[in-house]
Amino acid sequence: AQTVTQSQPEMSVQEAETVTLSCTYDTSESDYYLFWYKQPPSRQMILVIRQEAYKQQNATENRFSVNFQKAAKSFSLKISDSQLGDAAMYFCAYRSSGGGADGLTFGKGTHLIIQP
Amino acid sequence: NAGVMQNPRHLVRRRGQEARLRCSPMKGHSHVYWYRQLPEEGLKFMVYLQKENIIDESGMPKERFSAEFPKEGPSILRIQQVVRGDSAAYFCASSQKRTVGGYEQYFGPGTRLTVT
Repeated sequence: AQTVTQSQPEMSVQEAETVTLSCTYDTSESDYYLFWYKQPPSRQMILVIRQEAYKQQNATENRFSVNFQKAAKSFSLKISDSQLGDAAMYFCAYRSSGGGADGLTFGKGTHLIIQP
Repeated sequence: NAGVMQNPRHLVRRRGQEARLRCSPMKGHSHVYWYRQLPEEGLKFMVYLQKENIIDESGMPKERFSAEFPKEGPSILRIQQVVRGDSAAYFCASSQKRTVGGYEQYFGPGTRLTVT
């Protein structure tokens, strides 16, 4: 079974600074997807960014980018120019591809605090 | 295009009562996933359904929990004889096609169940 580990229960960053959230995972599969989801106080799960394992290029979405290290099974999220609206819980998630399980496997989350 | 709808948003039940949680997928989506989020935890996959079929229920507790997705109407997650440990946020997600093909899961706002 796949597992996802987020070792930082809480992170704090000054507004406009850059912060990196860590995520490691364990799998025996070679083909899969990785995601970062944001959960603000409203509890709505919002997809931030997604990475296909077969792609070597790191995904980017505006101020959000990932550092995907397949051999190390590491998938960190970098948030540049942090804004107050970025304050939320951030969850790393894994999903099989090519016939594996359809459900997402989530880490326990990192609570991101933005200091004004 | 309306997103994934869940109701009720908040549900309070006494121990021993039944809880029924409803999920209407996005228009054009025929695949539904249920997740549970315990306090201070990430989401845990429970069950994956297509219309009139349960495809993967590997995350469902063996007793008291059931799910259905009828040909017409919303998907229902049913919890019989609720206990305090069932208190959690329950999220529904939907996708257009099976996600192993690369189709995204879109989340609803969740139902917060409190058992008193």
